[in-house]
Amino acid sequence: EAQVTQNPRYLITVTGKKLTVTCSQNMNHEYMSWYRQDPGLGLRQIYYSMNVEVTDKGDVPEGYKVSRKEKRNFPLILESPSPNQTSLYFCASSLFSTKRRRSYNEQFFGPGTRLTVL
Amino acid sequence: RKEVEQDPGPFNVPEGATVAFNCTYSNSASQSFFWYRQDCRKEPKLLMSVYSSGNEDGRFTAQLNRASQYISLLIRDSKLSDSATYLCVVNLEAGGYNKLIFGAGTRLAVHP
Repeated sequence: EAQVTQNPRYLITVTGKKLTVTCSQNMNHEYMSWYRQDPGLGLRQIYYSMNVEVTDKGDVPEGYKVSRKEKRNFPLILESPSPNQTSLYFCASSLFSTKRRRSYNEQFFGPGTRLTVL
Repeated sequence: RKEVEQDPGPFNVPEGATVAFNCTYSNSASQSFFWYRQDCRKEPKLLMSVYSSGNEDGRFTAQLNRASQYISLLIRDSKLSDSATYLCVVNLEAGGYNKLIFGAGTRLAVHP
C-alpha cells in the first residue's frame, strides 16, 4: 500500500530534551516536506527536500533540523524543544510533474504526530 | 494579510443542503489551485484540483476567478460524511519547485 508513515504518533516531552520524529514514504517520491498545523493558522511549512541530500528552509524553520540521507526517509529533529513547538506535525511527499505550463503537486500526507512540550 | 484566506466557519447545514465555500489568495503569480479535505485529527487529502474553466466531480464543483483571485467550492446534496474541514490550497511555482500554501480551513458540519 502506498503510504507515508510517521512515528511516533503522539509524544509528550519536556523542554530541552532532544527528539526525532521519523517520516518514511514508499512511493519513490523526490519531494518531501514537514508542516506544522496550529489552530487558526493552517499548515505552515517547516522544511522541505527536493531530493537526497537537498534540503531547504520553509516558512517556520527555527528550532528544527532535518536530514535526507535516503530518498524514502525525512526525519524531523528538535534539538532543544520548547513549549511553542507544541503542535500537530505532518510529513508529506510528492512527485514533481508538469503538464504544459501547469505543475501539479498533489501531496500525500502522513497520519500526523501530536507533540506536546511541557 | 494572510496569503490564503478562508472563512473558518463552522457551516452547519442539514443533509441535502447546498453549501459554498470561498477562498481568496494574495499572490497573483499563483499557478494552480486545490481543495483538500481534512477530517478531525486526520491528515489532509486532496479533494480536487481547480481549473480556470471550472470543474465538477460528482456533487462537488470548483471555480477559479483569477482576476479577483478567488476560488470557490460548491457541495450539492450534502451528506453526513461531508462533515470535515476544507482547505483551500494555492500552488506557487518558484525556483523550479512548487510550494503549496494552505488556508486555515473552513469547517463544515452536516446534520440529519
